[in-house]
Amino acid sequence: QKEVEQDPGPLSVPEGAIVSLNCTYSNSAFQYFMWYRQYSRKGPELLMYTYSSGNKEDGRFTAQVDKSSKYISLFIRDSQPSDSATYLCAMIGQAGTALIFGKGTTLSVSS
Amino acid sequence: GAGVSQTPSNKVTEKGKYVELRCDPISGHTALYWYRQSLGQGPEFLIYFQGTGAADDSGLPNDRFFAVRPEGSVSTLKIQRTERGDSAVYLCASSLKGNSGANVLTFGAGSRLTVL
Repeated sequence: QKEVEQDPGPLSVPEGAIVSLNCTYSNSAFQYFMWYRQYSRKGPELLMYTYSSGNKEDGRFTAQVDKSSKYISLFIRDSQPSDSATYLCAMIGQAGTALIFGKGTTLSVSS
Repeated sequence: GAGVSQTPSNKVTEKGKYVELRCDPISGHTALYWYRQSLGQGPEFLIYFQGTGAADDSGLPNDRFFAVRPEGSVSTLKIQRTERGDSAVYLCASSLKGNSGANVLTFGAGSRLTVL
């Protein structure tokens, strides 16, 4: 079992839909949880950053962390064609030196 | 510079050749990371530098891979005797500090390596 599991999709939704992206993990030492967005042939860019359990909202994006279930989610409201990209979850422990990434979920939003 | 710069953006080489990939991090960032991203996969950690020294090289797959950062800024990833399985996008990232889960990494666009 990999430390971080993420369904690669692809996920196709119409413009305006609510999108839910998820990751599960096995290492209980993870405390920092991130979502990166990666456009084709570009490097990953940080979208959301959460410490420990709870919710964080930024515009149309909401990140949720449930440490008891080892489950994290990213919700995108009112999805736009410009949201079409691969979304990578990533996490690290307090003393960790390297982010551990999920496989990424490819999202396509059609207009 | 304004962002993390990686060169070359694309490299095609033949099996058995030697390759160097360069990363120029954000000015003032002491921590530098190399990741490898194969098709359809997430980035996989290779090596982390804090200043000039490799603080964690546990992700390097074998002794054909080596990286340096002699002056604590630019880093070079070196791959000897390349194999077709080395084909991937090599990503470099930097952060203001290292050795903490609170780090925010800024990635470059990557160097796409194809080994024929």
